[in-house]
Amino acid sequence: GENVEQHPSTLSVQEGDSAVIKCTYSDSASNYFPWYKQELGKGPQLIIDIRSNVGEKKDQRIAVTLNKTAKHFSLHITETQPEDSAVYFCAASRKTDSWGKFQFGAGTQVVVTP
Amino acid sequence: ETGVTQSPTHLIKTRGQQVTLRCSSQSGHNTVSWYQQALGQGPQFIFQYYREEENGRGNFPPRFSGLQFPNYSSELNVNALELDDSALYLCASSLRTSGRRSDTQYFGPGTRLTVL
Repeated sequence: GENVEQHPSTLSVQEGDSAVIKCTYSDSASNYFPWYKQELGKGPQLIIDIRSNVGEKKDQRIAVTLNKTAKHFSLHITETQPEDSAVYFCAASRKTDSWGKFQFGAGTQVVVTP
Repeated sequence: ETGVTQSPTHLIKTRGQQVTLRCSSQSGHNTVSWYQQALGQGPQFIFQYYREEENGRGNFPPRFSGLQFPNYSSELNVNALELDDSALYLCASSLRTSGRRSDTQYFGPGTRLTVL
């Protein structure tokens, strides 16, 4: 089955700097890659997603890139702010698989210090 | 806020007991997926319900079961609770229409289950 690895497990950045989180996946049939932000005591919140027919997607300070050949995708957060502090999860799913059967990474704890 | 609600927010049970968790999907969504999130880990897919039937299952034993109702709300039932069942249980809703799949899932706040 699909296996998603996420790095780093923790990331500490200064406010205003950029943060990058990387994920690799094993199943070449995976074609949908969402990123979720989870704050303490809350459920995961979708922040951006990308499909396999797109190489890059951007939404204000957040961007995601996908390299299908290498089977990895990355989340980029620019001009980080203290409210970006949270746990970020990547996930992958297959078009032919059960709908909604996401395979999640283990998460990255991001801490933005003022 | 996603519009997905879950109840209760917290629950404490003892080993061997049974528990029922509830989820109301976002307005207009007809599909509910359940996930288990152990402390410090990513969510693990339990199963998904569409049109009141189970539509895919992860690596969870049969003592994890579910229901979906005509209004698309859903329940997760866990029998014979074990200590390792202590986790945050998340439901996510999405919209599936004939011939078209929507990958986007929206999560609720979760139910924190503690098994003693």
